[in-house]
Amino acid sequence: GDSVTQMEGPVTLSEEAFLTINCTYTATGYPSLFWYVQYPGEGLQLLLKATKADDKGSNKGFEATYRKETTSFHLEKGSVQVSDSAVYFCALTIQGAQKLVFGQGTRLTINP
Amino acid sequence: DTAVSQTPKYLVTQMGNDKSIKCEQNLGHDTMYWYKQDSKKFLKIMFSYNNKELIINETVPNRFSPKSPDKAHLNLHINSLELGDSAVYFCASSQERYGYTFGSGTRLTVV
Repeated sequence: GDSVTQMEGPVTLSEEAFLTINCTYTATGYPSLFWYVQYPGEGLQLLLKATKADDKGSNKGFEATYRKETTSFHLEKGSVQVSDSAVYFCALTIQGAQKLVFGQGTRLTINP
Repeated sequence: DTAVSQTPKYLVTQMGNDKSIKCEQNLGHDTMYWYKQDSKKFLKIMFSYNNKELIINETVPNRFSPKSPDKAHLNLHINSLELGDSAVYFCASSQERYGYTFGSGTRLTVV
């Protein structure tokens, strides 16, 4: 079945560090890929998305590129801030499947 | 102007009780969902409805009964609550595969 695997957390970085959170997927069709963010005590917010191979999603300084050859959608940010502390979820959906499949989430903590 | 709203935000109840969570979306989306987030933050789909029709039921115990009176509403009723039902429940809606919008969650605690 369709699945998403994220790097194990928690991840702790210092402010202004470079961030990478790895995400790989297994899908029976051609998925759309997403990153969602959950700030403490809040719901899920869409961070960025990509709908086809080689697309790059970007938002708030975060980027992720849809790599079909490596079935990956790694999240990157060049310089993280304390306010980026949250849980990050990679997810996919297949057209017609009518559901999002999530990775297990990666908790990110940024220290000043 | 909240896109997906669910109530209540917090729900504390005793084992064996019956409770409901309500969800409404004003985005005009055709599909609505219930997801469960466990204590380890793992998110798993429970149900999806498309235009009031059940599309997905992911082997959820039949104590959980979703109801969709119209395509803007998807409520979740839970009978005979158990300790293991404690979790955060998220409602969501989508149109095609390009946009999923989530509610802010309902934290259910069964004591």
